[in-house]
Amino acid sequence: EADIYQTPRYLVIGTGKKITLECSQTMGHDKMYWYQQDPGMELHLIHYSYGVNSTEKGDLSSESTVSRIRTEHFPLTLESARPSHTSQYLCASSVGGESEQYFGPGTRLTVT
Amino acid sequence: QKEVEQDPGPLSVPEGAIVSLNCTYSNSAFQYFMWYRQYSRKGPELLMYTYSSGNKEDGRFTAQVDKSSKYISLFIRDSQPSDSATYLCAVKAAGNKLTFGGGTRVLVKP
Repeated sequence: EADIYQTPRYLVIGTGKKITLECSQTMGHDKMYWYQQDPGMELHLIHYSYGVNSTEKGDLSSESTVSRIRTEHFPLTLESARPSHTSQYLCASSVGGESEQYFGPGTRLTVT
Repeated sequence: QKEVEQDPGPLSVPEGAIVSLNCTYSNSAFQYFMWYRQYSRKGPELLMYTYSSGNKEDGRFTAQVDKSSKYISLFIRDSQPSDSATYLCAVKAAGNKLTFGGGTRVLVKP
């Protein structure tokens, strides 16, 4: 089983709040990713990182930001949550090529 | 048009039956083809990985890629209730990111 962790698993928060979704991996993988997944829909890449101090935006426009200060840690922050941010957020990591990605269990976010 | 199309299902089969899943894609540049399995309230996990065309077998699972038709398949033999999950195909071109299908939900009934 992959050693990639996400907290919290579930979060219900009011509009306008600042939130940080945590993602950590203990595998020493250099590449990390954040995906957004709505029920029954595709995973959409919102951010990725190829290493410390490297972050890029993905295909899906997102109002979130990320940081990569340590190899094992890749948090995602929403400065001001809105109901449109309600979704599941999945963190993943890989080493070498990007085809084999290891996913965390996800954070299910609801913004009221 | 989506780059990867996948029937959302659900696909319901009796235990022991063969499960047949497929995806079509539009970009001939895709060279890497993956199948991920996602259980409810969990993240996806990689099941099968194929480079270019051909077949690959791993236990009860067989993945097929037909690049001429832009068609990929996953077969699950002797299906078990524990195979009940959503199966996501994913494709990738060299140097690019993964593109996922929307997933097919599979229910294997005892």
